[in-house]
Amino acid sequence: DAGVIQSPRHEVTEMGQEVTLRCKPISGHDYLFWYRQTMMRGLELLIYFNNNVPIDDSGMPEDRFSAKMPNASFSTLKIQPSEPRDSAVYFCASGRGHQNTEAFFGQGTRLTVV
Amino acid sequence: LAKTTQPISMDSYEGQEVNITCSHNNIATNDYITWYQQFPSQGPRFIIQGYKTKVTNEVASLFIPADRKSSTLSLPRVSLSDTAVYYCLVALNYGQNFVFGPGTRLSVLP
Repeated sequence: DAGVIQSPRHEVTEMGQEVTLRCKPISGHDYLFWYRQTMMRGLELLIYFNNNVPIDDSGMPEDRFSAKMPNASFSTLKIQPSEPRDSAVYFCASGRGHQNTEAFFGQGTRLTVV
Repeated sequence: LAKTTQPISMDSYEGQEVNITCSHNNIATNDYITWYQQFPSQGPRFIIQGYKTKVTNEVASLFIPADRKSSTLSLPRVSLSDTAVYYCLVALNYGQNFVFGPGTRLSVLP
């Protein structure tokens, strides 16, 4: 298995533009997580899904952020409109089973909003 | 909601044993304790997980006292390649909560 695949690896966009981050989880994993990492705030959980259903989105900073998981092999995190303070590394991770804190992370997408 | 605290940084020398402690005073009955390692420009990588007493795998040991208000990650005989940031994470059983601690930056010196 190729692991969790995220795209793009790097994204530079202008303030106000829409940004879509993509994730392909590991096949067979029933949990999918979106995290954001910054120097100031560390690793923050944004949202996670179980069997394609959003379970906890309390970490989503505001309505500009939305996440979808239309099927077991694909998820998106969208920011519209983007702002400079959204600049961060966004990680997608997937896991399996009840004791599922053994999450496997992708390489991340480094987003820069100018 | 379980909160975790960790030392910001630690230094060690090659070949030494390193112990990193995480405090989680308000851990809930069903919370598991997990440790991750992160290298620059990479996502975190799972190291070890435990619920109580001691867990050991091929890379580390995890010690959890009876009150479970702290846990200690033990890395035997560290090498330069163990230089990384180490995070503890406390999660409810059945995965209701996934919040990372602030991380400990370990520097292994030759």
